[in-house]
Amino acid sequence: QVQLVESGGGLVKPGGSLRLSCAASGFTFSDYYMSWIRQAPGKGLEWVSYISSSGSTIYYADSVKGRFTISRDNAKNSLYLQMNSLRAEDTAVYYCAREGGYDSDYWGQGTLVTVSS
Amino acid sequence: QSALTQPPSVSGSPGQSVTISCTGTSSDVGSYNRVSWYQQPPGTAPKLMIYEVSNRPSGVPDRFSGSKSGNTASLTISGLQAEDEADYYCSLYTSSSTPVVFGGGTKLTVL
Repeated sequence: QVQLVESGGGLVKPGGSLRLSCAASGFTFSDYYMSWIRQAPGKGLEWVSYISSSGSTIYYADSVKGRFTISRDNAKNSLYLQMNSLRAEDTAVYYCAREGGYDSDYWGQGTLVTVSS
Repeated sequence: QSALTQPPSVSGSPGQSVTISCTGTSSDVGSYNRVSWYQQPPGTAPKLMIYEVSNRPSGVPDRFSGSKSGNTASLTISGLQAEDEADYYCSLYTSSSTPVVFGGGTKLTVL
């Protein structure tokens, strides 16, 4: 069965950096686009970024462009999100999701990132 | 691009039907049949319920249906059950440089 397990969240000071990872299993990872989607406490979903199956096509939300970098290692069945220059408004649960076409058909359980001094 | 507009809350009694709307513009919802719907019970990750306006993934009950008219997509849940109580989000994939947008979410309360 499809499994997505995020890790790497935690408490970081404003201006700091964090790298999130997502370990995928139960499907051929290299065949699928993947996304990061976040949810601030008590708020709605916000799309952050997605990456094509080969890694050649990448898009970012305007709110993270220039600060966050999405990447993947198909040999390790892993997706990453490098987050730099973190701000308080980046505090959220970050979900890794598999792209099924024009939707996110499987989601991980999320990892919490808290940006606070 | 702007978030899609959903009502903050809807409610219904068990057995009734409810409809949640997701309104955009002629440039987004009106131009693409790439609307999906997600269910998120409290404390859990979202789950895909409808894709490409009206298609149900395997395992989703047929009580859940989707449609679109003009610039508004809709999710209808018939035969409401207590387990349907959750937040529901629409999303849209476009061809822009920021291709994915979510609605603000709707809290469904089963009375």
